[in-house]
Amino acid sequence: GENVEQHPSTLSVQEGDSAVIKCTYSDSASNYFPWYKQELGKRPQLIIDIRSNVGEKKDQRIAVTLNKTAKHFSLHITETQPEDSAVYFCAASNPNTGKLIFGQGTTLQVKP
Amino acid sequence: SAVISQKPSRDICQRGTSLTIQCQVDSQVTMMFWYRQQPGQSLTLIATANQGSEATYESGFVIDKFPISRPNLTFSTLTVSNMSPEDSSIYLCSVVWGTGGTEAFFGQGTRLTVV
Repeated sequence: GENVEQHPSTLSVQEGDSAVIKCTYSDSASNYFPWYKQELGKRPQLIIDIRSNVGEKKDQRIAVTLNKTAKHFSLHITETQPEDSAVYFCAASNPNTGKLIFGQGTTLQVKP
Repeated sequence: SAVISQKPSRDICQRGTSLTIQCQVDSQVTMMFWYRQQPGQSLTLIATANQGSEATYESGFVIDKFPISRPNLTFSTLTVSNMSPEDSSIYLCSVVWGTGGTEAFFGQGTRLTVV
């Protein structure tokens, strides 16, 4: 069935360093790949997304890359700040169903 | 983006009872979904709430346990039936719209504790 694998499960970086989270997906029909940030006790918030006709997208300190051939996509956060500390989820969406399949999540800790 | 209101925000329930969670959107949306997030875990899709017809359930979830209603394009309910402590989770509704109909946003979630 549809599956999304996400790594690493935890990531600790120093403030100012970069953080990279990687995901792979199994459903070749997936064409939309969002990333969500979830702070403790709050709902997931969409932070960036990419569609299958694009290889890379950037929004200030956040970028996402997609390799459709390899079924890989990654989140890159540069110049990390303590407020970036949260759980990050990748997801993949099949355009026929609209439903999201989530990765297992990455707990990012940015140390001041 | 539209405003998604989900209630209750939290509840503590006795085992064997049922709880109905409501999700209201301030505009019409094509797709609505219900997810479960167990403590410290990722989000797992329970079902797609279909307007005017029976919900489509994912593997491991059944209608008798999680009956879903969607009477119109702005409202849906999820009932957690005959609850046990294993049902203690956060339940989230999600709606999809936007270019290509794929951007998804979430309600604030319902934190359910079963004792």
